[in-house]
Amino acid sequence: DQQVKQNSPSLSVQEGRISILNCDYTNSMFDYFLWYKKYPAEGPTFLISISSIKDKNEDGRFTVFLNKSAKHLSLHIVPSQPGDSAVYFCAADANDYKLSFGAGTTVTVRA
Amino acid sequence: DAGVTQSPTHLIKTRGQHVTLRCSPISGHKSVSWYQQVLGQGPQFIFQYYEKEERGRGNFPDRFSARQFPNYSSELNVNALLLGDSALYLCASNANTGELFFGEGSRLTVL
Repeated sequence: DQQVKQNSPSLSVQEGRISILNCDYTNSMFDYFLWYKKYPAEGPTFLISISSIKDKNEDGRFTVFLNKSAKHLSLHIVPSQPGDSAVYFCAADANDYKLSFGAGTTVTVRA
Repeated sequence: DAGVTQSPTHLIKTRGQHVTLRCSPISGHKSVSWYQQVLGQGPQFIFQYYEKEERGRGNFPDRFSARQFPNYSSELNVNALLLGDSALYLCASNANTGELFFGEGSRLTVL
């Protein structure tokens, strides 16, 4: 049973515009959420995280929003750059050090 | 500072064979986790080890086993390989926090 879902397999955005990636989860025990970025032939790289006690966390061009009541989080990338083209994974942690990942969203930033 | 290192990076096996994958965590990290990533899906949790003890196991058959050594490096073993075991096997380490640091993975192809 997929507890973390990324319903958009792909996203295409023009350079300089905003990229919005969405993620939904079903397990109410999740209390920590992370976004990972993955380039081909590389392992996933940590991008940004958010604790369930917050509703927003910002790091430079990346902002993650959490809506606990809707069990939904989103990642905003502003402005999008060509180097942002990658697969983005949403992951969730129920404080058992085991991450549950979504299937990923492939972002393509067009020049 | 070296990140998580995995070996081999690529390997080809035939059905029924056995494979051993190796992982060295980031220096100072005592926890190692293994994930399987099948094409088009997110990483799926296999095992986590902390201080040489198995802390968690995902929904994988007994053909999958792992161990952690006194220097915190780890091995993942898969017996009686099936075609469906073809995947990218990712190792991650962490310093007892929710954030995992991944290696580049071992790409296993079973023919």
